[in-house]
Amino acid sequence: EVQLLESGGGLVQPGGSLRLSCVASGFTFSSYGMSWVRQAPGKGLEWVSGISDGGGNTYYADSVKGRFTISRDNSKNTLYLHMNSLRAEDTALYYCAKGSCSSASCYRFDSWGQGTLVTVSS
Amino acid sequence: DIQMTQSPSSLSASVGDRVTITCRASQSISSYLHWYQQRPGKAPKLLIYDASNLQGGVPSRFSGSGSGTDFTLTISSLQPEDFTTYYCQQTYRTPPTFGQGTKVEIK
Repeated sequence: EVQLLESGGGLVQPGGSLRLSCVASGFTFSSYGMSWVRQAPGKGLEWVSGISDGGGNTYYADSVKGRFTISRDNSKNTLYLHMNSLRAEDTALYYCAKGSCSSASCYRFDSWGQGTLVTVSS
Repeated sequence: DIQMTQSPSSLSASVGDRVTITCRASQSISSYLHWYQQRPGKAPKLLIYDASNLQGGVPSRFSGSGSGTDFTLTISSLQPEDFTTYYCQQTYRTPPTFGQGTKVEIK
């Protein structure tokens, strides 16, 4: 059974930083593209960033480009999202999502974690 | 970015009803269209991929159709657990984009 377990969320002041982690199990992590998708409270889904199976290719939403960095450690079956210069509008539940193929642009998400909440507020 | 517009934004229906949700793309996306179900407090779940393919384990009362710019999700006979929110998503171009969601409520 595929499992994705996010952690690292919390309350941070505007301009601050956080690192989210997603530990994967139940599948060959190193064979699949992965993404982060967020959902602001009471709102819809917004894709944030994607990474290829080997980590060599990455994509970002314009809203986070230059502030967020996606990475992965296949030896630890772990996906990361480094978030800098956080803004109030980054407040959301952040989901880790498994793509259905290996590329960074594989955005059909067949498994999701339960999410980790990031709140940006002073 | 490709804009995805769902209609209606919400609907009221009864158990056993047939329900159809529409998703329109701002440009042609071939069949790179997927449908997700999200229950309150839960992560989204993939229902239909590539416009018309049922994801494993999803009940056969769910079906999808369409290509190009216009797509539909149909629930043939609503069950109590189906009263929740549905999202379409295009994966034709980066960034992948979602519709705003359709909430299916009990009449």
